[in-house]
Amino acid sequence: NAGVTQTPKFQVLKTGQSMTLQCAQDMNHNSMYWYRQDPGMGLRLIYYSASEGTTDKGEVPNGYNVSRLNKREFSLRLESAAPSQTSVYFCASSEVPGIAGGNEQFFGPGTRLTVL
Amino acid sequence: GENVEQHPSTLSVQEGDSAVIKCTYSDSASNYFPWYKQELGKGPQLIIDIRSNVGEKKDQRIAVTLNKTAKHFSLHITETQPEDSAVYFCAARSLNSGGSNYKLTFGKGTLLTVNP
Repeated sequence: NAGVTQTPKFQVLKTGQSMTLQCAQDMNHNSMYWYRQDPGMGLRLIYYSASEGTTDKGEVPNGYNVSRLNKREFSLRLESAAPSQTSVYFCASSEVPGIAGGNEQFFGPGTRLTVL
Repeated sequence: GENVEQHPSTLSVQEGDSAVIKCTYSDSASNYFPWYKQELGKGPQLIIDIRSNVGEKKDQRIAVTLNKTAKHFSLHITETQPEDSAVYFCAARSLNSGGSNYKLTFGKGTLLTVNP
């Protein structure tokens, strides 16, 4: 199993350009997440999808859109990139978290994005 | 919302010594506390977690302790080895029996360096 895969690994954009970050998981997980990681800021949740067909805002959703294409894939779109969106982006997946389990999140290797 | 503070931000120890990383949380409803390890260039990976009905949990050289009254929890690594060098993140979330809470709040991370 590949686990969680992300493409691309690296990307450089100019201010105002758009792009889509792709994420796929092969663990048959219901829930998927997008985080950004900035130096000294830890991991911050951008959007999440509790299950196929649903998406919800996280802590820092402004400037981003997401699409849960199917159970395997969850994409993150930057419509008009800004320098403040320079970051490392991680996708993660899990079973439905709750008392009975499903709490471990499995992370992809990340996409390093630079916006000039 | 939840706020998680993590200390120290950097920690350097000699091989064989113990390392302790501490976190505090603000939301008394939080009852699930995972720790993630992130190696250079990779995504975070769960190493241990604890629920609020347990005061301590051990897994070989790693242990986590929880003080619900004081709202703090700690990661203890004994007999450290060079391969323990990484960034460690604590996190907190509430698990609801009546539903699921998907939002995990992370601390800002601790860079642990184990010197041979």
